[in-house]
Amino acid sequence: QKEVEQDPGPLSVPEGAIVSLNCTYSNSAFQYFMWYRQYSRKGPELLMYTYSSGNKEDGRFTAQVDKSSKYISLFIRDSQPSDSATYLCAMNGSGGSNYKLTFGKGTLLTVNP
Amino acid sequence: GAGVSQSPSNKVTEKGKDVELRCDPISGHTALYWYRQSLGQGLEFLIYFQGNSAPDKSGLPSDRFSAERTGGSVSTLTIQRTQQEDSAVYLCASSPTAGTGLYFGPGTRLTVT
Repeated sequence: QKEVEQDPGPLSVPEGAIVSLNCTYSNSAFQYFMWYRQYSRKGPELLMYTYSSGNKEDGRFTAQVDKSSKYISLFIRDSQPSDSATYLCAMNGSGGSNYKLTFGKGTLLTVNP
Repeated sequence: GAGVSQSPSNKVTEKGKDVELRCDPISGHTALYWYRQSLGQGLEFLIYFQGNSAPDKSGLPSDRFSAERTGGSVSTLTIQRTQQEDSAVYLCASSPTAGTGLYFGPGTRLTVT
């Protein structure tokens, strides 16, 4: 079992839809959870950074972490064509190896006008 | 302010040649990372620097790969005797301290022919 599993999609939605992106993980030591957005031929861009379980909201984006289920989600409200990109989840633990992020393979999202 | 920059943006080289990839991190970021992103694969950790020291080189695929960082700033990743399987996008990232969200550069797309 891979440490982080992410449905690669592709996911295609109409403009204005609510998008739900998810990752599951197996390592209970993970405590920090991130979502990155990567446009084609660009580097990943940090979208959301959360610690432990709970919700975090930033504009149209909401990140949820459920450590008991080892499941994290990113919700995008009122999706826009400019949200079309690959979304990567990433996570790490605390302590000596906290610098090393483990990434999902990414979900390709297309928002159609 | 300026983000992470990388050069060159694209590099095509013949099998067996050596290549050098450069990374300029965000000013003041003490932690610097190299990752590799291959088609269909997630981001693969290569090496981590704290200041000029590399506490973890465990992700370097072989002894053909090496990296250094000078002045707590610029880093170079060197690949000797390149092989076709080295073809990938090499991403550099920095962060204020280890374990916080990473800020990625645009990457260097390496093609070995």
